Amino acid sequence: EPEVTQTPSHQVTQMGQEVILRCVPISNHLYFYWYRQILGQKVEFLVSFYNNEISEKSEIFDDQFSVERPDGSNFTLKIRSTKLEDSAMYFCASSEGGLLNEQFFGPGTRLTVL
Amino acid sequence: SQQGEEDPQALSIQEGENATMNCSYKTSINNLQWYRQNSGRGLVHLILIRSNEREKHSGRLRVTLDTSKKSSSLLITASRAADTASYFCATDEGGSYIPTFGRGTSLIVHP
Repeated sequence: EPEVTQTPSHQVTQMGQEVILRCVPISNHLYFYWYRQILGQKVEFLVSFYNNEISEKSEIFDDQFSVERPDGSNFTLKIRSTKLEDSAMYFCASSEGGLLNEQFFGPGTRLTVL
Repeated sequence: SQQGEEDPQALSIQEGENATMNCSYKTSINNLQWYRQNSGRGLVHLILIRSNEREKHSGRLRVTLDTSKKSSSLLITASRAADTASYFCATDEGGSYIPTFGRGTSLIVHP
């Protein structure tokens, strides 16, 4: 069964460093998403991406964040200058249709900012 | 106001019993989705129910939606120890379609 994969599973970085989280969505899906979940808190929507551009983003997704689909398979989330409060699980998801459709989530990347 | 809040926060039952979790929301929605999350793992989509639907089934799962009460319920019948997980509802907020997750219900099924 096709699935969304994410790498790395755990990323440790120093405050102020840039990180890139990688995702490989399900191959025939056209919509891609990033969410985060701070430990013990709710899952929060960050951004949705379709046709090589951002279609929706939340207030969390500020200028420190960017997304890219550099090739036909990868979907990346970049955090330019990490802060302590960026420590969280980051989940990638994809769907055939848009936000009104079933999304398939990856296993997540745990980001720890020291 | 919080969209998509589940109750109870925690539920502990014996294997074989049914588990019911509820989700309430405040604004109109296009759809409501239920997810499961095992500890430290990703989200698994369970059921999506659209605003014009009242009930959906998937295996041992039954979801109802009452738009007049702005609430949904997830029923897991004949629970198993493997059903132990956190269960979340996610709603969109009208025109934005951005999903908003609740804090979840932590379900423990004792063998």
